[in-house]
Amino acid sequence: GAVVSQHPSRVICKSGTSVKIECRSLDFQATTMFWYRQFPKQSLMLMATSNEGSKATYEQGVEKDKFLINHASLTLSTLTVTSAHPEDSSFYICSAIEGNEKLFFGSGTQLSVL
Amino acid sequence: GNSVTQMEGPVTLSEEAFLTINCTYTATGYPSLFWYVQYPGEGLQLLLKATKADDKGSNKGFEATYRKETTSFHLEKGSVQVSDSAVYFCALRGSGGYNKLIFGAGTRLAVHP
Repeated sequence: GAVVSQHPSRVICKSGTSVKIECRSLDFQATTMFWYRQFPKQSLMLMATSNEGSKATYEQGVEKDKFLINHASLTLSTLTVTSAHPEDSSFYICSAIEGNEKLFFGSGTQLSVL
Repeated sequence: GNSVTQMEGPVTLSEEAFLTINCTYTATGYPSLFWYVQYPGEGLQLLLKATKADDKGSNKGFEATYRKETTSFHLEKGSVQVSDSAVYFCALRGSGGYNKLIFGAGTRLAVHP
């Protein structure tokens, strides 16, 4: 079946640095990808919808200058957490739509900001 | 707005035990309902779904029935296996597509031999 690869699976960084997370659709083209965030024992919360070749659509309350999304090709979307702080520590998950119906998820990235 | 509430985990069972993970929802209109499963180190995978009231989704021995009268979509399996150990997410999709997919908090299931 279709696979979405997310990298890295875990990252630890110092406060003030930027971290880039990649999400790749390995065997299909994805015009639309989604980025979620999950705090411990809480739901996955949609952060933004990433559209190939255009600006991402951010959910209310998500800072677009803080969480930069780039979807430059049909198989790759990146999320950059800029000037990360401890409160940005969380589990980030991407997903991609194949065609119009099937949604496939990456395995997630655990970000820890010291 | 739309929301999903599922039972807190972890749920710990012995092999061959009966499993129920409760899920209730709040939604306007007629949402589609999903159960996703996340095995260790992997992404979420669609387990089953139901798109209208009284539909039953089933897969790999798991079942869930879309109950509009009780706004529920409880996940059941008659006899769990160690390989079923994972985190299970209930989700709702309202009108507007996958960008409106709302997840529950997830329930971790641990099955022991």
